[in-house]
Amino acid sequence: NAGVMQNPRHLVRRRGQEARLRCSPMKGHSHVYWYRQLPEEGLKFMVYLQKENIIDESGMPKERFSAEFPKEGPSILRIQQVVRGDSAAYFCASSPTGGAPNEQFFGPGTRLTVL
Amino acid sequence: GQQVMQIPQYQHVQEGEDFTTYCNSSTTLSNIQWYKQRPGGHPVFLIQLVKSGEVKKQKRLTFQFGEAKKNSSLHITATQTTDVGTYFCARDGGSQGNLIFGKGTKLSVKP
Repeated sequence: NAGVMQNPRHLVRRRGQEARLRCSPMKGHSHVYWYRQLPEEGLKFMVYLQKENIIDESGMPKERFSAEFPKEGPSILRIQQVVRGDSAAYFCASSPTGGAPNEQFFGPGTRLTVL
Repeated sequence: GQQVMQIPQYQHVQEGEDFTTYCNSSTTLSNIQWYKQRPGGHPVFLIQLVKSGEVKKQKRLTFQFGEAKKNSSLHITATQTTDVGTYFCARDGGSQGNLIFGKGTKLSVKP
């Protein structure tokens, strides 16, 4: 049973470009969470999605960031017009059920570097 | 949701010594989770505590949840180099299940 998959593992973008991060949850999991981790910091919640629905995006910056989890295919976190401050590790996690409490299974992360 | 505070931020120990990290909240927690992140890796779930005063053990790791459900601790007995990493506690961010992480305690073990 494959774990949570994320790609790319490393992504380099120049300021102003778009970054597109993908996450495939574990088989049987329909709940996806995205977190951002700055160096030497904890993880900060960004958005929670179920298939075709955004459930909670309270941690998402209001501009330039968007997320989706289509009926078919991976969840995608999109960052438009990236800036240097977007450089971070982005992790997605999945769980079989939503709500609390639940164990979350994390993917290997995408390390985004903005030049 | 309220933040959780973790102390210490860093801990350097000699192999074989014990290690403890603490997680504190100003509000009552419904539950607390602990994760470990190896250098360059991703968080891996260790345990979840739900009951007041709960104590759980995993080999050399002992997890406690305070009686008032406002604090928790992780204790490692006789550390090994494989214990190196950052240990995070995490609380519920709300009914939706998102997590609020502490800043973590980074453990280094000198062989």
